[in-house]
Amino acid sequence: GDSVTQMEGPVTLSEEAFLTINCTYTATGYPSLFWYVQYPGEGLQLLLKATKADDKGSNKGFEATYRKETTSFHLEKGSVQVSDSAVYFCASEGGGNKLTFGTGTQLKVEL
Amino acid sequence: DTAVSQTPKYLVTQMGNDKSIKCEQNLGHDTMYWYKQDSKKFLKIMFSYNNKELIINETVPNRFSPKSPDKAHLNLHINSLELGDSAVYFCASSLGARGITEAFFGQGTRLTVV
Repeated sequence: GDSVTQMEGPVTLSEEAFLTINCTYTATGYPSLFWYVQYPGEGLQLLLKATKADDKGSNKGFEATYRKETTSFHLEKGSVQVSDSAVYFCASEGGGNKLTFGTGTQLKVEL
Repeated sequence: DTAVSQTPKYLVTQMGNDKSIKCEQNLGHDTMYWYKQDSKKFLKIMFSYNNKELIINETVPNRFSPKSPDKAHLNLHINSLELGDSAVYFCASSLGARGITEAFFGQGTRLTVV
């Protein structure tokens, strides 16, 4: 079945540092790919998405590019802020109404 | 306006009890879901309904029974609660039959079984 693997956390960065959270997927065919963010005590919110190869999703300074050749969808941000502290989930959807999530990566940004 | 609302937000109950979690969405979406998030934050789908029809039923004990009275509501009833059921349960909805449209999540129900 489909699976999503993302880097283990927690990740601790200083404010204005560069962020990369790795995500790779396995799927039959070409799934749609997503990054969701979960702030403390809240539900998940969609951060960005890409539905086909070479698409780049972007939102709030975050970016991720759908790389079919490496089956990856790494999340990046050039300069993180304290307010970006949250848990980030990579997910794939290959049909059938089912999102498959990675294990989540906790990000902590310090001053 | 809350898009996906679930109640209660917190639920503490004893082993063996039966409990329900309610979920409502006001987005006009056709598809609703229940996800379980364990203590390590791992999220796994439990059920999915499209227009009141069950379309995904993952390997979930039959003590868990979803019910969708209409497409705006998807409730989760749990019989004979066990310690291992302690988790955060998230309801979600999406517009179409394919999840490529955004899934909107509720704030979660933290269930603690003692």
